[in-house]
Amino acid sequence: AQSVSQHNHHVILSEAASLELGCNYSYGGTVNLFWYVQYPGQHLQLLLKYFSGDPLVKGIKGFEAEFIKSKFSFNLRKPSVQWSDTAEYFCAVRHNFNKFYFGSGTKLNVKP
Amino acid sequence: NAGVTQTPKFRILKIGQSMTLQCTQDMNHNYMYWYRQDPGMGLKLIYYSVGAGITDKGEVPNGYNVSRSTTEDFPLRLELAAPSQTSVYFCASSSNRPGTAYTGELFFGEGSRLTVL
Repeated sequence: AQSVSQHNHHVILSEAASLELGCNYSYGGTVNLFWYVQYPGQHLQLLLKYFSGDPLVKGIKGFEAEFIKSKFSFNLRKPSVQWSDTAEYFCAVRHNFNKFYFGSGTKLNVKP
Repeated sequence: NAGVTQTPKFRILKIGQSMTLQCTQDMNHNYMYWYRQDPGMGLKLIYYSVGAGITDKGEVPNGYNVSRSTTEDFPLRLELAAPSQTSVYFCASSSNRPGTAYTGELFFGEGSRLTVL
């Protein structure tokens, strides 16, 4: 079955550590890729998106992601996390007539 | 600009009751969606709509119904509520029309937490 996979379900880091969250998808053809963040008790907000062009995309709050087509991956990175980055992160794929499919999410807990 | 507005924010239902979650958007988006979010499961698409009068099932449509009589509104109806429908529900909208307002991503409402006892 087609899917979006986030392999890290729960990540704990100390402040200033580097972050990389994995995302793989299995949809063929043209896809658009997104990372959303959900702070505790809030709705999902867009971090960054990839449609075409430079496979390294930069988003808000110092986040970036790299699209590797051959690996069907779109991993999220941040060089130095802050306590305020504590949240749940979702990878999403837009495919098949504007339908969006989400991964199961990764909870990030940053220790001050 | 309000964006996507959902009501109610919280609701407790008894098994077998029915209710409607309201969703409205003021961005003139043609696409609207309903997702449910369960712990560790991410977001699952319940129903979506490509425009007024057109709706289609998503990944988990059983137990739900939708309608789209206007561009702005996309209510989600729960008939005969069951404990398995306890979840957080998110309405979202998107546009796929190229143009100056086209951004391509989903815009979410604040969510509605539903408990069925």
